[in-house]
Amino acid sequence: EAQVTQNPRYLITVTGKKLTVTCSQNMNHEYMSWYRQDPGLGLRQIYYSMNVEVTDKGDVPEGYKVSRKEKRNFPLILESPSPNQTSLYFCASSSRTGSGYTFGSGTRLTVV
Amino acid sequence: SQQGEEDPQALSIQEGENATMNCSYKTSINNLQWYRQNSGRGLVHLILIRSNEREKHSGRLRVTLDTSKKSSSLLITASRAADTASYFCAYDRGTGNQFYFGTGTSLTVIP
Repeated sequence: EAQVTQNPRYLITVTGKKLTVTCSQNMNHEYMSWYRQDPGLGLRQIYYSMNVEVTDKGDVPEGYKVSRKEKRNFPLILESPSPNQTSLYFCASSSRTGSGYTFGSGTRLTVV
Repeated sequence: SQQGEEDPQALSIQEGENATMNCSYKTSINNLQWYRQNSGRGLVHLILIRSNEREKHSGRLRVTLDTSKKSSSLLITASRAADTASYFCAYDRGTGNQFYFGTGTSLTVIP
């Protein structure tokens, strides 16, 4: 089944403790992206990647890192999480610019 | 911010009625897409309309695009309780893969 898989689905962590949210897609998509969703603010793009080893900042990249060493994986790294990074995170992929995204099921992160 | 805006923010209708939601955006675009999100879950792609198209249909969905007004609308005809969800427009400017979402419309269809 074609899908984007994110892990974990839920995560509670403490301020400053590094964490990684994994994202993997099995559709051979070139484009991958991370979003955060907050009430009243909609979805905001954190980082995106147009291909292996090509990444770029979205609208809200501060406090996040990404890497794209393989086509299928696009992990999101929070080096020193803070409470304002408590949010619902989505990974998404698409086959080319301008086609529809396939979204993962989301990761609900709470930083205390 | 380059985020789009949608209205209404919330919409409640009876089953069988039509639902219309609108999206306004701020820049020239390459294409515009509509997505559905069921409570807290991942978004599902519904339909894409390119900047040189004015109208597109897919099943009970009809999307229009007016690039002169920088706006789009999504019409769901003969709504069903299962259509209850949040609906988002999203667009890219063709400058890469930077993608902007609207703030969403929460649709409730009452059986």
